[in-house]
Amino acid sequence: GEDVEQSLFLSVREGDSSVINCTYTDSSSTYLYWYKQEPGAGLQLLTYIFSNMDMKQDQRLTVLLNKKDKHLSLRIADTQTGDSAIYFCAERNPGGSYIPTFGRGTSLIVHP
Amino acid sequence: NAGVTQTPKFQVLKTGQSMTLQCAQDMNHEYMSWYRQDPGMGLRLIHYSVGAGITDQGEVPNGYNVSRSTTEDFPLRLLSAAPSQTSVYFCASSKKTGTWDGELFFGEGSRLTVL
Repeated sequence: GEDVEQSLFLSVREGDSSVINCTYTDSSSTYLYWYKQEPGAGLQLLTYIFSNMDMKQDQRLTVLLNKKDKHLSLRIADTQTGDSAIYFCAERNPGGSYIPTFGRGTSLIVHP
Repeated sequence: NAGVTQTPKFQVLKTGQSMTLQCAQDMNHEYMSWYRQDPGMGLRLIHYSVGAGITDQGEVPNGYNVSRSTTEDFPLRLLSAAPSQTSVYFCASSKKTGTWDGELFFGEGSRLTVL
């Protein structure tokens, strides 16, 4: 079966780096995503990575994928108070349903 | 461009009442889905649709009905509301592209309280 696990909370100081971790179980997963949910809003796609990649960088965001360990991480450099949100990891196996499987979300709290 | 629009944003129901949460998208997306979000539980899929006239059950379908008569609309019906259905409900849509079709576009959510 498919399962995506994340820790529920992360607290960092403004200016530090944040690392949010995720593990998944479906070895057939081809698409892995990070969604961000700001307070009172819906989710928005933050970034994604294909399973044939090890790393993807996009400005302050770095996504690392370890396929052997089925481990995905999102690093946010120079974290700002505006980065406070819930971050969801999601994975999809294109051979299965088109619907991604979401983790429970990690609440990132950034302290001034 | 409105994207995905959900109504109402807030609703209070009494146990046993029925209601419909509306969802409309103007992006001509084939795929639409409904999730509920509860504290510590993340997003759980209720129902989804891959096109007009086609719907299927997700992880937690009991107590909910859906229909997809048009590409644009995907209403979620609560047949007889229960306190366990108190939650925030999100509608999402995505486009079928064949290779890369993963991005879901979400509505702003509908917060439902059942007394």
